[in-house]
Formats: sequence, C-alpha cells, structure tokens
Amino acid sequence: RKEVEQDPGPFNVPEGATVAFNCTYSNSASQSFFWYRQDCRKEPKLLMSVYSSGNEDGRFTAQLNRASQYISLLIRDSKLSDSATYLCVVNTPLVFGKGTRLSVIA
Amino acid sequence: EAQVTQNPRYLITVTGKKLTVTCSQNMNHEYMSWYRQDPGLGLRQIYYSMNVEVTDKGDVPEGYKVSRKEKRNFPLILESPSPNQTSLYFCASRTGGSRGYTFGSGTRLTVV
Repeated sequence: RKEVEQDPGPFNVPEGATVAFNCTYSNSASQSFFWYRQDCRKEPKLLMSVYSSGNEDGRFTAQLNRASQYISLLIRDSKLSDSATYLCVVNTPLVFGKGTRLSVIA
Repeated sequence: EAQVTQNPRYLITVTGKKLTVTCSQNMNHEYMSWYRQDPGLGLRQIYYSMNVEVTDKGDVPEGYKVSRKEKRNFPLILESPSPNQTSLYFCASRTGGSRGYTFGSGTRLTVV
C-alpha cells in the first residue's frame, strides 16, 4: 500500500507567524506532488503543485526532496483565513494524506 | 465556469433503498473519481475512470457501482445502502498528465 504521512496537528499559531508542514511518501516512483487546502465540510481545493526546484506562490512556499521522499509547505505571515486542513497529495497513483489542521489565532 | 457538479448536496435515506449521486464536469477531463471522507480516515478512493467505458476499483469499492457512458458524467450508485456508507462523498476530475484534481462540492449522505 502506497502511503502518504502527515502530522495531523492541530497547529495553533498566532497571526503573523510562520508555520511549516511536512509530508513523507513511500512510493519512490511518484511523479507529481500537490498541496490541497480543505475548509471544514468543504471540498479540497488545489493550493499549489510542488516542483523539484521548489516553488513559491505569495506567502506559500513548497519544497520537494526526492532523495528523502519528503514534501514541505511553508506559510509566512499567517492570516486568520489560512485556518484550514492542508492535504499532501502524491501521484501516481494519486494518494491523499489525511491532512494537517492549522488554526491561526488572533 | 469550469466546475464539477454533484447532486444532491445532502441526502438522508433508509437502509436498502437504492440511490444515485450524480457527478458532471464541464472541462472535458478524461479522469474522474469518487472519494469518501470519514473522520480520521481521510479521503479514500471508491472508483475511478480513465475515460468513457473505462472504470476501475479504488481502495473501498464494496457496496458501490459506477458507470461512465459519457465523458462528462460519472454517477455513483448505491444499490442497497447501509449505515456504514454514511459519509461525505466527493467527485473529482482531472486531465491526463500531472495536473491535480478539481473536486465537486460534496454530498453528505446519511443512511439510517
């Protein structure tokens, strides 16, 4: 069984903090990687793809370490609206982690 | 607007009464998939389809059926629902290659 492991949290951080989530995957043949965001009882939404060279989208930075089979997501200057569950996703086959819950507190 | 549409959003039914949850996408995606999400278990794949008339079992297919007669539609059928199928269900679609999935808004099913 191909696995994707995440710390479930919750991570409770103050507004403005920097927070990092990690994810490990077991299938060394995995080709593509994503971070999804899921708000309570809503559908998961693609936050960003993760590229080997690392990539940034505003306050969000994703990193991939193929040798260690490890993916990370860094959120800088956390906002209240960042409170959600963050899912690590690995393809192929497409496997979802169970998610890490983030609460940003005023 | 590009989207995946699921219906109904909420459904309460009784054990054994056949039901269908519809899923339709307007993005001409080849891949479609059904997931269920339960507390502590994350998203688990029920069935998926790589194209019209091509379907395959995911991790938890027991008690479910699907069909893919047209590219845009991928209904999920519960022939004889049971209480252990009470869950939040998501339909999703994507193109081939390495793109991520687009999810529908979810169907919250309760079987009593």
